[in-house]
Amino acid sequence: DGGITQSPKYLFRKEGQNVTLSCEQNLNHDAMYWYRQDPGQGLRLIYYSQIVNDFQKGDIAEGYSVSREKKESFPLTVTSAQKNPTAFYLCASSITEKLFFGSGTQLSVL
Amino acid sequence: AQSVTQLDSQVPVFEEAPVELRCNYSSSVSVYLFWYVQYPNQGLQLLLKYLSGSTLVKGINGFEAEFNKSQTSFHLRKPSVHISDTAEYFCAVSDPTFNTGNQFYFGTGTSLTVIP
Repeated sequence: DGGITQSPKYLFRKEGQNVTLSCEQNLNHDAMYWYRQDPGQGLRLIYYSQIVNDFQKGDIAEGYSVSREKKESFPLTVTSAQKNPTAFYLCASSITEKLFFGSGTQLSVL
Repeated sequence: AQSVTQLDSQVPVFEEAPVELRCNYSSSVSVYLFWYVQYPNQGLQLLLKYLSGSTLVKGINGFEAEFNKSQTSFHLRKPSVHISDTAEYFCAVSDPTFNTGNQFYFGTGTSLTVIP
């Protein structure tokens, strides 16, 4: 079945540590997105990529980095510069107006 | 940039009662409109969408929404809710003039709780 796979489902970060969230899609979509979800704040766009080897900052990119070396993969690194990383992270991909989501990764700080 | 306002953060409703979740957006140009549902610890699933044509849009699970251009609203309705409808609901807008990969703007969500 086609879809978006996020891993891991739960992730813990120690102080000063960088962690990477995985997002893989087999839908052959050009566009991919990372959103951060906090209670009562909806979805906020971190980064998006319209094509391989290109990506753009969203509304809250500080403290995060991404890469898009392959069409099907769009990993997100939460760096030590992100002082409040605890949140639910959602990856998505789209074609035209159709947006598809992964099942999310819950990141917590130890 | 677009903005989306969901006027109610929490909506409690009794089982089998009707419900309306409100959504307003800020745009004077044509947009695509969406409602998504999110169950706990899961991603978002599309309930329904408006692209063009009839202003009344029907979606999955008995939900429907009405596009009102003059009021820039896209309210979600269901005539009779079930316990299984308890979830978070997000209204979203996208700009169809975006070149490739539309950028989507989301509201802050409405938590619907169906009371037995």
